[in-house]
Amino acid sequence: DVQLVESGGGLVQPGGSLRLSCAASGFTFSTSDFHWVRQPIGKGLEWVSSIGTSGDTYYAGSVKGRFTISRENAKNSFYLQMDSLTDGDTAVYYCSRGGDIGLDYWGQGTLVTVSS
Amino acid sequence: QSVLTQPPSASGTPGQRVTISCVGRSSNIGNNHVYWYQHLPGAAPKVLIYRENHRPSGVPDRFSGSKSGTAASLAISGLRSEDEADYYCAVWDNSLSAWVFGGGTKLTVL
Repeated sequence: DVQLVESGGGLVQPGGSLRLSCAASGFTFSTSDFHWVRQPIGKGLEWVSSIGTSGDTYYAGSVKGRFTISRENAKNSFYLQMDSLTDGDTAVYYCSRGGDIGLDYWGQGTLVTVSS
Repeated sequence: QSVLTQPPSASGTPGQRVTISCVGRSSNIGNNHVYWYQHLPGAAPKVLIYRENHRPSGVPDRFSGSKSGTAASLAISGLRSEDEADYYCAVWDNSLSAWVFGGGTKLTVL
């Protein structure tokens, strides 16, 4: 079965950093694109970042220059390094696989809280 | 404010047909494929419609999608209580070089 499992969420102070991880299994990791999508509490889904099979990366304007997405094919994992965090980054973060039918598999979500 | 505009809410009674609109622009809906996602409380989002009007395996044919110009629509016929969820459209935006989601529509089954 396809599985995506996030880890690394938690409480961080404004200006701080956090690294989210997403461990994948059940499919060929190296031939898939991956995304991070977040949902602030009480608000809608917001696409954050994606990484392609060749390592090409894309970012939402709200996180560009602060967040970095990366992948490690040997570990079937991808990551989101989040720096200079603000309270606006508080959200549930989902990792997801990009397939022919869209974002076809999602993790369960991990909560990131930015607060002093 | 989202690049894609959806009504914040929609409602219907069991058995009815409801439609949810998603209005964009030429840089996104006008030139790229539209996807629709269903998000139930406490669950991960699920793709309902891909490339405007295709259903993934397992999605009932009560769900259908369409696109015309810079707008897309999701239709749900034979409404059921389990359809109560948030629905989002999503598309790649050429100007932003980014994926964008609509603001979401909360569907209530009365």
